[in-house]
Amino acid sequence: AQSVTQLDSHVSVSEGTPVLLRCNYSSSYSPSLFWYVQHPNKGLQLLLKYTSAATLVKGINGFEAEFKKSETSFHLTKPSAHMSDAAEYFCVVLLAASGTYKYIFGTGTRLKVLA
Amino acid sequence: EAQVTQNPRYLITVTGKKLTVTCSQNMNHEYMSWYRQDPGLGLRQIYYSMNVEVTDKGDVPEGYKVSRKEKRNFPLILESPSPNQTSLYFCASSFYRNRDFPDTGELFFGEGSRLTVL
Repeated sequence: AQSVTQLDSHVSVSEGTPVLLRCNYSSSYSPSLFWYVQHPNKGLQLLLKYTSAATLVKGINGFEAEFKKSETSFHLTKPSAHMSDAAEYFCVVLLAASGTYKYIFGTGTRLKVLA
Repeated sequence: EAQVTQNPRYLITVTGKKLTVTCSQNMNHEYMSWYRQDPGLGLRQIYYSMNVEVTDKGDVPEGYKVSRKEKRNFPLILESPSPNQTSLYFCASSFYRNRDFPDTGELFFGEGSRLTVL
């Protein structure tokens, strides 16, 4: 079965320290992978996406993610957290092959940034 | 501006009173979908539509209906709302050509509709 696992439901970091949000996926196909951010009372905004080009993907606001096929992972990182990064983050897999077209969402990681 | 527009953004209603949440996109996307978001459960798909001719159930379709009469609109209908449908609802769309050439594009989301059923 296809699935997405976000390994931490909550992550707390201090402002200025690195951020690591972990995502593992399970897929029979070569997936497309996305990270979305959701600020309070807002919709989901795309941070970055992987679609079988470069395995290191750069996104908006200094975020990046690395696709590691051998580890079936797509972890999100940022070198230095900012207060404005406090939000909920979703890892999403798109399965698009053999008549299947489905987005599968992780359950989210809430990032807290401490002053 | 490319966008997905949902209405209403907030609604409080009572059990059994039919309601419709509208969704419209201006990006000429084929694919549209509805999700509900509940604490600890992430986003769960209610219904999706590959194009105006194809609509199908997602993971949690019970109690909901949809309609896709034209490409840009995809309303969500709650015929007889119940308290367990209290949730935050999102409409989303993406570019999709056909099953032989599925795009790998991202979903574009509306701002969400917070529904409370008393």
